[in-house]
Amino acid sequence: EVQLVESGGGSAQPGGSQRLSCAASGFTFNTYTMTWVRQTPGKGLEWLSYITNTGSIIYYADSVKGRFTISRDNAKNSLFLQMNNLRVEDTAIYFCAGSLHYHYGLDVWGQGTTVTVSS
Amino acid sequence: DIQMTQSPSSLSASLGDRVTITCRSSQSINNYLNWYQQKPGEAPKLLIFAASSLQSGVPSRFSGSGSRLSGGRSGTDFSLIISSLRPEDFATYYCQQTYSAPHTFGQGTKLEI
Repeated sequence: EVQLVESGGGSAQPGGSQRLSCAASGFTFNTYTMTWVRQTPGKGLEWLSYITNTGSIIYYADSVKGRFTISRDNAKNSLFLQMNNLRVEDTAIYFCAGSLHYHYGLDVWGQGTTVTVSS
Repeated sequence: DIQMTQSPSSLSASLGDRVTITCRSSQSINNYLNWYQQKPGEAPKLLIFAASSLQSGVPSRFSGSGSRLSGGRSGTDFSLIISSLRPEDFATYYCQQTYSAPHTFGQGTKLEI
């Protein structure tokens, strides 16, 4: 079964850090471009970052550039998002998602993990 | 960044109706336009990629189209069409461009009974 499972969510204080993980199974992880997307409560989807299958190309949305770092470990079929200098507005459900070809949509999604930033 | 504008933001329809949701990009995206369906408490699900290609396993009542400019260049207007609404289709739909990063989403269209 094709599956992505996020973990690492929880509560954090403004200015704090959180590291999200995403474990992949059921597909050839090292052929997939991986993406992080978030959704604030009751709101729409926000694309955050992607990393190509080899990790050679990375992009970030302006809203997280300089604060968040995406990485992957193909040997462990895992994707990560290191979130530093968290803000209240980073409170959201964070999804990892994958695509065999990044032009052709995100065809594998995790169930999401919730991050709450408050003092 | 490329801006994606969906309309309408919400839509009321009945079982069996044909509905169209539109998405406009702020610049040409070479038909790298995807559609997702999201139900409450669930992750989004890819329905259509590259403007008109049906994702494997998605019912054929879903279809997508894009506009063409004169000379064959891809346009900026896209549509998701559901030919005959079923109960399981009531959800929120998002478009997304994957032409250039950041791969921006539209704001969503909530389809209600």
